[in-house]
Amino acid sequence: QTVVTQEPSVSVSPGGTVTLTCGLSSGSVSTSYYPSWYQQTPGQAPRTLIYSTNTRSSGVPDRFSGSILGNKAALTITGAQADDESDYFCVLYMQSGISVFGGGTKLTVL
Amino acid sequence: EVQLVESGGGLVQPGGSLRLSCAASGFSFSSYWMHWVRQVPGKGLVWVSRISSDGSSTSYADSVKGRFTISRDNARNTLYLQMSSLRAEDTAVYYCARGTCTNGVCYKYWGQGTLVTVSS
Repeated sequence: QTVVTQEPSVSVSPGGTVTLTCGLSSGSVSTSYYPSWYQQTPGQAPRTLIYSTNTRSSGVPDRFSGSILGNKAALTITGAQADDESDYFCVLYMQSGISVFGGGTKLTVL
Repeated sequence: EVQLVESGGGLVQPGGSLRLSCAASGFSFSSYWMHWVRQVPGKGLVWVSRISSDGSSTSYADSVKGRFTISRDNARNTLYLQMSSLRAEDTAVYYCARGTCTNGVCYKYWGQGTLVTVSS
């Protein structure tokens, strides 16, 4: 069973830069996994930030960017703001035809 | 404006059945793959199922395979999830999402979700 890994929690200072990662329990993430990133605050539906590695969704500020860093997918937030404090989920598409979400990263801005 | 509105959630007994609907508007529904994703309140997101734009191709998470059926009615711009043999662990908020990327494997737009509670 493939497990998608994310940092459980990360903190960043206001105005700072932070990188969240999305990896595999076995193997490396590449663009063929179509890594995507979603932001969610409690009680709300997910909001799409990045899909297909680095395509920013409509209306998402360019402070958010996606990439492959080493063997993982990465979401980088530059100039962090207080309202970036949320849960962030990544998802990978497996060649078996299923998608697997990571457990999520709780981002604290302090 | 793209809108996805889920309905059909509620309380159901273990072993029971329920059909969720997702009404789509603001885009050409018949051109896009669609997904169901669920989330136990306070927990992470879990992909459930995907269906191709014409309904000819479907896939399921192992946890629901054989119990859930995804379908769509392109004339009514509506996506469905028929859930049967429901278990307590199926309790979750169910979201529909519109696919993007090759073969619609990414999600761009999400509905607000509908809560399914499986309990006696």
